[in-house]
Amino acid sequence: GAGVSQTPSNKVTEKGKYVELRCDPISGHTALYWYRQSLGQGPEFLIYFQGTGAADDSGLPNDRFFAVRPEGSVSTLKIQRTERGDSAVYLCASSRGPNQPQHFGDGTRLSIL
Amino acid sequence: QKEVEQNSGPLSVPEGAIASLNCTYSDRGSQSFFWYRQYSGKSPELIMSIYSNGDKEDGRFTAQLNKASQYVSLLIRDSQPSDSATYLCAVNKDGGSQGNLIFGKGTKLSVKP
Repeated sequence: GAGVSQTPSNKVTEKGKYVELRCDPISGHTALYWYRQSLGQGPEFLIYFQGTGAADDSGLPNDRFFAVRPEGSVSTLKIQRTERGDSAVYLCASSRGPNQPQHFGDGTRLSIL
Repeated sequence: QKEVEQNSGPLSVPEGAIASLNCTYSDRGSQSFFWYRQYSGKSPELIMSIYSNGDKEDGRFTAQLNKASQYVSLLIRDSQPSDSATYLCAVNKDGGSQGNLIFGKGTKLSVKP
């Protein structure tokens, strides 16, 4: 597709469960970013990949959060032992490189019951 | 002081008027600046990027950057009801070396017919 694709669009799960969120960036974009957005707030940075490596993971809130991008294209954000406070919209963006405009997917709305 | 500050609004303007949205940032090393539009329940959509001091025009939109004052603004001419949305200001962290964006909370714009 032409844009950033995120799946699932919605995820509802119980506290303590494990979740995986997937992002397929725009073809040819080497940089990939994960953000999360809570109601009434701007997106908050989580992690940035340049190619296969995590260039900056300083935004991950704790060690329950982990992300991979094994082939430099699709990325998966993994959250272990989910907590109600993890509920948010998780946004993925991609760009041609650092400092270039970032284009966002439609997001995954995660709800932890 | 927050890294990127915006007036949360709501900013209400009549149809056909100029809407002026403002943003200040704290990191003097910031190099790249972006405006995103976000409709309710949707993901952010890039509308403008600006990298150097001065004005940049694209259709009805003009972005203005003043690095000395650490100030960036967005003007929307001939505002339309379809412009009603939250406008997010985003600044590239660490002078562009890492790529991740710091967002303001957004300004909610309402254009009245």
